[in-house]
Amino acid sequence: NAGVTQTPKFRILKIGQSMTLQCTQDMNHNYMYWYRQDPGMGLKLIYYSVGAGITDKGEVPNGYNVSRSTTEDFPLRLELAAPSQTSVYFCASSTGLAGFQETQYFGPGTRLLVL
Amino acid sequence: GENVEQHPSTLSVQEGDSAVIKCTYSDSASNYFPWYKQELGKGPQLIIDIRSNVGEKKDQRIAVTLNKTAKHFSLHITETQPEDSAVYFCAASPSGGSNYKLTFGKGTLLTVNP
Repeated sequence: NAGVTQTPKFRILKIGQSMTLQCTQDMNHNYMYWYRQDPGMGLKLIYYSVGAGITDKGEVPNGYNVSRSTTEDFPLRLELAAPSQTSVYFCASSTGLAGFQETQYFGPGTRLLVL
Repeated sequence: GENVEQHPSTLSVQEGDSAVIKCTYSDSASNYFPWYKQELGKGPQLIIDIRSNVGEKKDQRIAVTLNKTAKHFSLHITETQPEDSAVYFCAASPSGGSNYKLTFGKGTLLTVNP
């Protein structure tokens, strides 16, 4: 299986534009996450989902939206891109099974530049 | 909420030497501590993890130790090789209803010089 896949790999946006970052996992994981990674700042949780139809805010949700209509897909939406959203975005998933739910598997990332 | 501090931010060693990265956490309810390796241009990859019911775990050249009393845990890499060069992240996860959330340290850039 492919694990966690993300598209696109790289994107340049103009201020005010919108876009959707795609994330798909083929491991039948219940839990999915979106992080952003800024230089020297580690990974910050944007949104997460514990199952289809259920999403919740993480540490830095402002300016983003998510949906989870299927187990496999967890897209991240930027409605009005701002320079502060320039970052590398990672999607991750975990099983959700008791005792194993914390182990997260990451995708390759999407590098976003907002100018 | 949980706060994870990671040191050092950069570490340079000679091939064959050992490398140690340390993390402290603030939430005494945390019970799961993974370490991730991130190579340039790639996503983080889990390399080892430890739960609060054990004090040490080894996997070949990699080991992690946990001191719950002091609330710190460390990654030890022995006989380092150039391919160990990467950014390493520690993380902590609390128990209870939000035990699927990870709080990450800021990362350590490890450089292994041939």
